[in-house]
Amino acid sequence: NAGVTQTPKFRILKIGQSMTLQCTQDMNHNYMYWYRQDPGMGLKLIYYSVGAGITDKGEVPNGYNVSRSTTEDFPLRLELAAPSQTSVYFCASSYEGSHLTYNSPLHFGNGTRLTVT
Amino acid sequence: KNEVEQSPQNLTAQEGEFITINCSYSVGISALHWLQQHPGGGIVSLFMLSSGKKKHGRLIATINIQEKHSSLHITASHPRDSAVYICAVGPLNFGKGTSLLVTP
Repeated sequence: NAGVTQTPKFRILKIGQSMTLQCTQDMNHNYMYWYRQDPGMGLKLIYYSVGAGITDKGEVPNGYNVSRSTTEDFPLRLELAAPSQTSVYFCASSYEGSHLTYNSPLHFGNGTRLTVT
Repeated sequence: KNEVEQSPQNLTAQEGEFITINCSYSVGISALHWLQQHPGGGIVSLFMLSSGKKKHGRLIATINIQEKHSSLHITASHPRDSAVYICAVGPLNFGKGTSLLVTP
């Protein structure tokens, strides 16, 4: 099993550019999450999805968009990159859960290190 | 105010020492998760706990639901245990992590 696959691993963007961070899981998990991790801070939830066709905002959604057209894929879109979006981004999935709980083990991708200059 | 507090923030230990990392939370939970983040950045799940105690190799995790407290213990620590250990009680509630360095 590949688990959760994130691409790219690294990316440098100029201010105002756009990009999509890809996330795919092959475990048939319903619940998928996007996080950002900044130095000295805990993981912050950007968006989450409870199944194909259903997405919702997390704690820090501004500047981002997501879609969930299939169970496997949950891409994160940055439309107009800003320096404040410089961070490490993680995609995660779980079989059961909600926006408040994780009811089964979590699986994380390896992260995307994004720099906006 | 963060609803998940971990202590200590940083910890240095000598190889072979017994290590304890603590996690206190203030929200109701169905399960608590301990995660490990290695210097390379990847995050792996170590334990999911809803009661009692779990053991995996040299790692032991305990939880006291009434006191809203969990501990992660590492017995006979080894330099390869050097990592950041993160406590999570839900998608919105992560601790900031405990950075552990085990020296030979």
